[in-house]
Amino acid sequence: EPEVTQTPSHQVTQMGQEVILRCVPISNHLYFYWYRQILGQKVEFLVSFYNNEISEKSEIFDDQFSVERPDGSNFTLKIRSTKLEDSAMYFCASRTQGPSPEAFFGQGTRLTVV
Amino acid sequence: AQSVTQPDIHITVSEGASLELRCNYSYGATPYLFWYVQSPGQGLQLLLKYFSGDTLVQGIKGFEAEFKRSQSSFNLRKPSVHWSDAAEYFCAVGESNAGNMLTFGGGTRLMVKP
Repeated sequence: EPEVTQTPSHQVTQMGQEVILRCVPISNHLYFYWYRQILGQKVEFLVSFYNNEISEKSEIFDDQFSVERPDGSNFTLKIRSTKLEDSAMYFCASRTQGPSPEAFFGQGTRLTVV
Repeated sequence: AQSVTQPDIHITVSEGASLELRCNYSYGATPYLFWYVQSPGQGLQLLLKYFSGDTLVQGIKGFEAEFKRSQSSFNLRKPSVHWSDAAEYFCAVGESNAGNMLTFGGGTRLMVKP
């Protein structure tokens, strides 16, 4: 069964460092998303990406964040200068074309900023 | 903007007992509704979804949910809980627009007593 894969599963980084979280969406999917979940809190939408551009982003997704689809398979989230409050589980999701928003989620990357 | 409320933060049930997890949403149009399950340290697995049609939907692992428009609810049920059902459950609503982002509730942590 096709699945969304994320790497790494856990990343520890020092405050101020840049991190790149990687995702391989399901191959025939066209919409891509990043969500985050701070420990003990709800899952929050960060950004959606379609046709090589951001289609929507939340207030959380400020200038420190960027997304990219560098090739035909990867979808990345970059945090330029990490802060302690960026520590969270980051989920990538993807879905096919069409009106239904059923998204398939990856297993997540736990980011710990120290 | 849509919102999702899961009134119960924690629920404990005995193995074999029935389960109902509550979810209320606020959304202007007919919503797309989802229940996801998250086991400790794991990603989000889709249990079931409602887009249209029959308001009682069946999902995986013996779960079902009923969409009640008049109550703006989409409660999750299972007739007999198994110890392996212990996890966190998230209700989510999806927008019917190009971005189709999901808005999640705060989650309900289910504990199962032997």
